[in-house]
Amino acid sequence: GAVVSQHPSRVICKSGTSVKIECRSLDFQATTMFWYRQFPKQSLMLMATSNEGSKATYEQGVEKDKFLINHASLTLSTLTVTSAHPEDSSFYICSATRQGWYGYTFGSGTRLTVV
Amino acid sequence: QQQVKQSPQSLIVQKGGIPIINCAYENTAFDYFPWYQQFPGKGPALLIAIRPDVSEKKEGRFTISFNKSAKQFSLHIMDSQPGDSATYFCAAAGGSQGNLIFGKGTKLSVKP
Repeated sequence: GAVVSQHPSRVICKSGTSVKIECRSLDFQATTMFWYRQFPKQSLMLMATSNEGSKATYEQGVEKDKFLINHASLTLSTLTVTSAHPEDSSFYICSATRQGWYGYTFGSGTRLTVV
Repeated sequence: QQQVKQSPQSLIVQKGGIPIINCAYENTAFDYFPWYQQFPGKGPALLIAIRPDVSEKKEGRFTISFNKSAKQFSLHIMDSQPGDSATYFCAAAGGSQGNLIFGKGTKLSVKP
């Protein structure tokens, strides 16, 4: 149980375009989802926390207008990278948990390359 | 106070050895301490986790030792295998649904 599906696994986009990444909890209701960014050989950096039906809470230094997060249902959160630039190229990972549960399930990650 | 300090940064052991990775935290509100394994290009996968009410937890070849007074916890991998070669992250969180704070990671290489 507790499976999180993240799509796409890889995406290449042109500079200036927008890219949407989906994160779905397949067998549980995810009351809270997290989005992380990971640079090569580095740890996971939390970008934002989203609770179902509420606006996401962004970490300091993360541009909320650039990284749009939507958590419209208990099983789906999306991260949209708007007007992507090469410096946005990174590995993006989502994670989900639910109320009253000590555990976090991670998606398999999305490798974004902006050319 | 929000940091989780992890060491060593990298570790090389022979097959069958017992690598030990250590983490330390400051925030006494943390009450959930997981370890994750990550292979290149993949998301982190939960290995084992512990709550502060126990000092040790074992699952298969993986053991967490937890020292609440010292605010330290460690991962031991028994009978390590080349397939265990990966990056390991410790983490900590406070309260259900709290943010996970990650250590910087340890790259483990197990030589045949």
